[in-house]
Amino acid sequence: EDQVTQSPEALRLQEGESSSLNCSYTVSGLRGLFWYRQDPGKGPEFLFTLYSAGEEKEKERLKATLTKKESFLHITAPKPEDSATYLCAAGTQGGSEKLVFGKGTKLTVNP
Amino acid sequence: NAGVTQTPKFRVLKTGQSMTLLCAQDMNHEYMYWYRQDPGMGLRLIHYSVGEGTTAKGEVPDGYNVSRLKKQNFLLGLESAAPSQTSVYFCASTVGPLSYNEQFFGPGTRLTVL
Repeated sequence: EDQVTQSPEALRLQEGESSSLNCSYTVSGLRGLFWYRQDPGKGPEFLFTLYSAGEEKEKERLKATLTKKESFLHITAPKPEDSATYLCAAGTQGGSEKLVFGKGTKLTVNP
Repeated sequence: NAGVTQTPKFRVLKTGQSMTLLCAQDMNHEYMYWYRQDPGMGLRLIHYSVGEGTTAKGEVPDGYNVSRLKKQNFLLGLESAAPSQTSVYFCASTVGPLSYNEQFFGPGTRLTVL
């Protein structure tokens, strides 16, 4: 069964304290691994797509990496405005094409 | 460009009432989707469309119907609302297949069924 698991469920950091969010996936035929940011009361906002193991992408304080079993979202020197829920999703074409979402990691960055 | 818009933003229904949620996108995307998001459950796909005039079932389609009469619009209908349909509903669109294309999400509709 296709599955995406994110950890931790919640993470509290002090401003400037770097950390990583994990996304483990078990899918047949990965097409793309996506990261989204969701602020309270809003729709998810696209951050990155990774297509193959070893690929890395960066945007400001965020860096996403991909292996054959998991993806990491590294947050360097976070600021309070980075507080949000981060969603991971795996696109698969095993059997039928679909996108499997994780339940998200709620990040809080304290000033 | 407005991107993906949804109406209404909030709605309260009584059990058994019906309603239609409207999604519109101005990006000329072929694919459109309806999700529901519940605490602890993550995003779940209800129905989707791969082009004007097409619809298909997603992961949790029961109790919902959809229509895509125009490329830019995707409607989600609840014929007889139930308390289990209390949720936040998101519409999204992609330029191509969702397995490898980024999704653009609307702001959501918060629905409460009493």
